[in-house]
Amino acid sequence: KNEVEQSPQNLTAQEGEFITINCSYSVGISALHWLQQHPGGGIVSLFMLSSGKKKHGRLIATINIQEKHSSLHITASHPRDSAVYICAPLGLTYNTDKLIFGTGTRLQVFP
Amino acid sequence: GAGVSQTPSNKVTEKGKYVELRCDPISGHTALYWYRQSLGQGPEFLIYFQGTGAADDSGLPNDRFFAVRPEGSVSTLKIQRTERGDSAVYLCASSLLGSQNTGELFFGEGSRLTVL
Repeated sequence: KNEVEQSPQNLTAQEGEFITINCSYSVGISALHWLQQHPGGGIVSLFMLSSGKKKHGRLIATINIQEKHSSLHITASHPRDSAVYICAPLGLTYNTDKLIFGTGTRLQVFP
Repeated sequence: GAGVSQTPSNKVTEKGKYVELRCDPISGHTALYWYRQSLGQGPEFLIYFQGTGAADDSGLPNDRFFAVRPEGSVSTLKIQRTERGDSAVYLCASSLLGSQNTGELFFGEGSRLTVL
């Protein structure tokens, strides 16, 4: 079983739709990253959160540490949001910052 | 530089050869991470440096892989006797102290390694 499960693996949407990507993990963590990877490979950090909710523009991330679950929401989706979104929990192993990556959710937003 | 720089951006080599991949992190960032990403997969952790020392090298797949960061800035990932299965994009990331402390991780564009 993977330590990090993301759903859905693939997602298509029409421009303007509300998007939710879910992440569940089995390891004990103190925080979690959401990352965005565009075609061509560049990875950008969107959020790091350890509790509650964070909002940045049209992006909202929530986390429930007790339930080992996080969600990334995109409001009013746009074709430029098309990318792979990766959940990366920060698994504390021997006090090191070891990020564990999910396999990602591929999002395509059509105009 | 302004961001994390990785060289070469593309490397094609033959099976059995030795390869070095370089990562130049953002100036002042003490934490440096190496990941590799195969086609269609998420990044796989290889090694993490805090300063000059490898804080966690549990992701290195075998003893053909080795990484150094002698002065706490630039890091080199070294792969001996390359195999076709080593073909992947090798990603480097850096953070000011550690991703747990600062919340922001900066990635390079990656080095695409192809072993023929």
